[in-house]
Amino acid sequence: RKEVEQDPGPFNVPEGATVAFNCTYSNSASQSFFWYRQDCRKEPKLLMSVYSSGNEDGRFTAQLNRASQYISLLIRDSKLSDSATYLCVVYGAGSYQLTFGKGTKLSVIP
Amino acid sequence: EAGVAQSPRYKIIEKRQSVAFWCNPISGHATLYWYQQILGQGPKLLIQFQNNGVVDDSQLPKDRFSAERLKGVDSTLKIQPAKLEDSAVYLCASSPDGGGHYEQYFGPGTRLTVT
Repeated sequence: RKEVEQDPGPFNVPEGATVAFNCTYSNSASQSFFWYRQDCRKEPKLLMSVYSSGNEDGRFTAQLNRASQYISLLIRDSKLSDSATYLCVVYGAGSYQLTFGKGTKLSVIP
Repeated sequence: EAGVAQSPRYKIIEKRQSVAFWCNPISGHATLYWYQQILGQGPKLLIQFQNNGVVDDSQLPKDRFSAERLKGVDSTLKIQPAKLEDSAVYLCASSPDGGGHYEQYFGPGTRLTVT
């Protein structure tokens, strides 16, 4: 089993849609969780950290289920500018380093 | 605040040649990372420095890759000799400290093509 697995995508959604991305991690001792965003041919940038209690930042909601070793990202009211690849990232998944998933590509269509 | 700087942005070399990449992290950031990102994959950590010491180089192919961070600031990553499978984007990142709670700030990357 891979350390961090994400929905393969791609996701093609119309503007205004709600879209959810899922991610699972293999090491129950993992400590910190993040979603990074990567635009085409650009560097990754932190979108948000993920806390056990769940957290929200505007149209974005992240949730963590430690029992199921599952992380999710919900985007409401999708904008064209949300088109990017979303990377699920786990810290401490077997070592003291960030482990990135392959990413899920989102295309928001007019 | 200036971001992480990398050069060159693009490099094309033939297999068996050598190549070097340079990174200047955000001022004051103690931790510097080099990642390899192959097309369609997430970034994979190659090496992590804390100041000028190596914290983790477990995934660095040491027979061909080397890295150093002189004086705990700038860093260089070298590949010698290059193979076709080294074609990737090499990302440098920095953070205030090495703990997993800190955001990593990435540079624009160096896109390497090995022919």
